Amino acid sequence: DVKVTQSSRYLVKRTGEKVFLECVQDMDHENMFWYRQDPGLGLRLIYFSYDVKMKEKGDIPEGYSVSREKKERFSLILESASTNQTSMYLCASSSLSLRDRREKLFFGSGTQLSVL
Amino acid sequence: AQSVSQHNHHVILSEAASLELGCNYSYGGTVNLFWYVQYPGQHLQLLLKYFSGDPLVKGIKGFEAEFIKSKFSFNLRKPSVQWSDTAEYFCAVNAPGGYQKVTFGIGTKLQVIP
Repeated sequence: DVKVTQSSRYLVKRTGEKVFLECVQDMDHENMFWYRQDPGLGLRLIYFSYDVKMKEKGDIPEGYSVSREKKERFSLILESASTNQTSMYLCASSSLSLRDRREKLFFGSGTQLSVL
Repeated sequence: AQSVSQHNHHVILSEAASLELGCNYSYGGTVNLFWYVQYPGQHLQLLLKYFSGDPLVKGIKGFEAEFIKSKFSFNLRKPSVQWSDTAEYFCAVNAPGGYQKVTFGIGTKLQVIP
C-alpha cells in the first residue's frame, strides 16, 4: 500500500515563526499536494507539485510556499505563521501523468497546526 | 470555477437506516467524480469514483453512488448503515484542463447510533 507520511501529528507555533511541514511518500508518485481542512470549508488546495522542483499554486497559496527538492518529499512552509493559519494540513500524492485526471489521491494522516 | 455542494453537513442515523448524501457540482463539461471518507482518527481514503460508463458506481463497504448528468449530481447511498460507518464524507470533482486539481465539498459528518 502507498504510504504518505507527515512528520508531525500535532504542532504548536507562535505568531511570526517560520513553520515547516514535511511530507514523504514511498511509491514514487509524480504528483504531490498540500491541502488545508477547516470545519465548514472542506479541503482547500494550497499548492501542488507534479515533478521535482516544479510547483503550482492552488486555490489559497497566500502566506505559504513549498519546496520539492526530491521526488518523495514535499514541504509546506509558512514564512511567518499567523493565527488564521491554524488548521489541519493534509498532504496527498498520486501517480500518472497530468493528462490523466482519474487517479485517486492518497492522503497522509494530517498535521494539526495551532498558531498562538 | 468549478465547485461542489454537499447539502447535509451533519447527519444522524440509527443502525440499519438507509443513507443518502447529496452532492452537486457546477461544471458543464466532462468530469470525474469521487467520494472520499475519513473515519475518526484516520486519513482520508477513496470510497468510490466515477469516470465514465455505468452511472451507478459501487464502492467499498456496500456504498454506491449514482451520477445523474442532467442534475449535476453524484449522490452517495447505502441501504443499511452500520455504527462503523460513522465518519466524515467528502464529495470531490476533478477540475477541467491540465493538472490533477481536485475540488472538494465541505464534507458531511455522519453519526450512526447503535
